[in-house]
Amino acid sequence: QSALTQPASVSGSPGQAITISCTGTSSDVGGYNYVSWYQQHPGKAPKLMIYNVSDRPSGVSNRFSGSKSGNTASLTISGLQAEDEADYYCISYASTTTPHYVFGTGTKVTVL
Amino acid sequence: QKQLQESGPGLVKPSETLSLTCTVSGGSISSSSYHWAWIRQPPGKGLEWIGNIYYSGYTYYDPSLKSRVTISLDTSKNQFSLNLSSVTAADTAMYYCARHSSGVGNAMDVWGQGTTVTVSS
Repeated sequence: QSALTQPASVSGSPGQAITISCTGTSSDVGGYNYVSWYQQHPGKAPKLMIYNVSDRPSGVSNRFSGSKSGNTASLTISGLQAEDEADYYCISYASTTTPHYVFGTGTKVTVL
Repeated sequence: QKQLQESGPGLVKPSETLSLTCTVSGGSISSSSYHWAWIRQPPGKGLEWIGNIYYSGYTYYDPSLKSRVTISLDTSKNQFSLNLSSVTAADTAMYYCARHSSGVGNAMDVWGQGTTVTVSS
């Protein structure tokens, strides 16, 4: 199972909005609404930011939003802040031979 | 508040079996609302989902690792474990345990802090 494709890096200035894409296939992203997004700061465990494509867990800022079109899911961070600088990973439920999950390749977000 | 804590050897020899345990505190590992996962991250690289186990004992594994992975539950100790056989240097990574929760669409909402495993002779 190949990893989902994300851009290696995305950058933006404070206050701007950025969008990270996550491209898979009809066997994962396109076939299920089980896409979630994680934020990972250096040396830390990942933190859940979005689940079920567009739902936010309690406590996560509403500056983070998710969407999906076809085989591509997206994470948008609006009102970019310095603390948003981190690595971001998507993950999707997948079912080819057996049910499993597949992560994206990861995106480094830099706040300029 | 639920917490997860990984434990196990930090150094494993090539061709041997890597064994890690995740201890769950603050709730029962037998709850039908959760299932339990292992994820790893090689140095400087991305996250890789290894597999998970349901309270019923059903397991699902990443297809590329399936032949070498076993995940098991010990409900008496509120723990779940990972065994990865025939390891090579490519298995050197930070290993995390995590909880899939039905309350967040089966996403992984609670993670351990991770434990580093190095494969070297």
